[in-house]
Amino acid sequence: NAGVTQTPKFRVLKTGQSMTLLCAQDMNHEYMYWYRQDPGMGLRLIHYSVGEGTTAKGEVPDGYNVSRLKKQNFLLGLESAAPSQTSVYFCASISLRGLAKTAQYFGPGTRLLVL
Amino acid sequence: KQEVTQIPAALSVPEGENLVLNCSFTDSAIYNLQWFRQDPGKGLTSLLLIQSSQREQTSGRLNASLDKSSGRSTLYIAASQPGDSATYLCAVRPSIPGGSEKLVFGKGTKLTVNP
Repeated sequence: NAGVTQTPKFRVLKTGQSMTLLCAQDMNHEYMYWYRQDPGMGLRLIHYSVGEGTTAKGEVPDGYNVSRLKKQNFLLGLESAAPSQTSVYFCASISLRGLAKTAQYFGPGTRLLVL
Repeated sequence: KQEVTQIPAALSVPEGENLVLNCSFTDSAIYNLQWFRQDPGKGLTSLLLIQSSQREQTSGRLNASLDKSSGRSTLYIAASQPGDSATYLCAVRPSIPGGSEKLVFGKGTKLTVNP
């Protein structure tokens, strides 16, 4: 099992450019999440998905879109990047059956710098 | 609204010392509490998960306790080593309807163990 993987690991964007971050999990988990982590702010939930074809907003959804076309993949899109979106992005997943009982798995992160 | 607090934000100790990291939460309606470790530039690694019905969990030199009624958890690290230097985060899984899908995180305690 590779667990939760994220692509790319690091990216530099110019203001106004767009990009998509890919999260993939091979554990057949129903729930997937995108967080951002900034110094002093902790982890903040951007969007999440409770199953294929469904998405929901988290705490800080503005400026991001997501899609969950396949159960194993969760995509995070930035349509027009802004310097305020410079951050480290983490994906996570957990199974529906394990929600109340098991740990949530995290990916290694994607560092994004918007100039 | 559930809130998770970790105090102190940073802690520096000499090697070999036993230490305790604290986590408090405001709502006792939780399924479980998780402790994570995060090394610089890396993702979150799950250390221990305590179910709401449990009082403690142990893994090697780590022992986590949970007092749900008082909204407190501690992570005890015995005989600390420089390799324990990292940021430690705690998170709770709410058991309220519509809230269990999302972990609530503290902002972490940055631990430095000096040789």
